[in-house]
Amino acid sequence: DGGITQSPKYLFRKEGQNVTLSCEQNLNHDAMYWYRQDPGQGLRLIYYSQIVNDFQKGDIAEGYSVSREKKESFPLTVTSAQKNPTAFYLCASSILPGTSGKYEQYFGPGTRLTVT
Amino acid sequence: AQKITQTQPGMFVQEKEAVTLDCTYDTSDQSYGLFWYKQPSSGEMIFLIYQGSYDEQNATEGRYSLNFQKARKSANLVISASQLGDSAMYFCAMRDGGSQGNLIFGKGTKLSVKP
Repeated sequence: DGGITQSPKYLFRKEGQNVTLSCEQNLNHDAMYWYRQDPGQGLRLIYYSQIVNDFQKGDIAEGYSVSREKKESFPLTVTSAQKNPTAFYLCASSILPGTSGKYEQYFGPGTRLTVT
Repeated sequence: AQKITQTQPGMFVQEKEAVTLDCTYDTSDQSYGLFWYKQPSSGEMIFLIYQGSYDEQNATEGRYSLNFQKARKSANLVISASQLGDSAMYFCAMRDGGSQGNLIFGKGTKLSVKP
């Protein structure tokens, strides 16, 4: 059964701690993305990657870091430098842009992070 | 700058009736794609329908259709025969024609289907 898994679904951390959110896909997609969603808002792009060992900053990368050591995995670290880390985080993947016209992004179930 | 606008924060529809969710976009690109996603209370984003900027026909997927008016830069989602399970947040998104393929999302419309 192909898809994207994110764990855990709920995560609680104390302020000042780094936390890593996992994202794994078995869709054989080259591109992977991390989004942040705040209440009443749409999704905002944090980081994306189109190939292993390479990634690019999105619109709100400050206070976040990522790695892409394997095609299947794209973990996101929320660092203590992120001023308002409490949010819903969604991971997505797609075939490489440009491969065909329609390449929708497939999303994982999300991780709700609460920092107190 | 590219932008997606969804002007309806919330909508109500009676079960079995049709509903239109509005979406307007702003881009200077000639090649772009428009998407609609559904987000139930569980949080996962579910892809519904896609429209390419060069597609001459309006996209349809089952009970979902996209009313694409290129000159007006609008891409409204029409849901026919609403069901209780359609209650969710709906997001319009646009992908530009560049190689990055990143999506820009609107703020969403919360649809509530009444029995």
